[in-house]
Amino acid sequence: AQSVTQLGSHVSVSEGALVLLRCNYSSSVPPYLFWYVQYPNQGLQLLLKYTSAATLVKGINGFEAEFKKSKTSFHLTKPSAHMSDAAEYFCAVSDKIDSGYALNFGKGTSLLVTP
Amino acid sequence: SQTIHQWPATLVQPVGSPLSLECTVEGTSNPNLYWYRQAAGRGLQLLFYSVGIGQISSEVPQNLSASRPQDRQFILSSKKLLLSDSGFYLCAWSFEGPPLHFGNGTRLTVT
Repeated sequence: AQSVTQLGSHVSVSEGALVLLRCNYSSSVPPYLFWYVQYPNQGLQLLLKYTSAATLVKGINGFEAEFKKSKTSFHLTKPSAHMSDAAEYFCAVSDKIDSGYALNFGKGTSLLVTP
Repeated sequence: SQTIHQWPATLVQPVGSPLSLECTVEGTSNPNLYWYRQAAGRGLQLLFYSVGIGQISSEVPQNLSASRPQDRQFILSSKKLLLSDSGFYLCAWSFEGPPLHFGNGTRLTVT
């Protein structure tokens, strides 16, 4: 089965600083990869997805991620953190199941943005 | 446009009581539907998925069951809740491929 590992359960950055959230994947086939954001007591919102087109994927809210096959990584970045970016972030990989596809998620990284 | 609704938003239930969580999707037909559970420190776990009315697949053995009585309705149930059933339950849908659209979730606390 395809899986992802998120490095660091908590990340703290200063407002205006670079955001880097790390995700490594394990997949026997070319993966489809995703990043989601979750605000407290809310559902998941898709930030961006990689589906084997351009390796640098741009998403919403100024986030982007780069697919690096040689490093099996799909790290999420944002040049300048805003206070509103504080949330839980999940990396996920698409996995084939009996009748279709599901997402296998990492355990999440909580992003704290300090003034 | 398509929307997904879950209710209730929060629920506190005693151990041994029944459970029914509902999810509906609007603006589409014949979606694939999913139930995920998010437990503290354990990430998101796929519980059930359905590709059509009456078609339910379970990913993990557990105290819960799912049903799809109508095309755009997906229900998560339990006859007797356990403490370990506490968590944040998310419904999701897709046409093809993995689920990309999630509901706002139900926070279940079993006491």
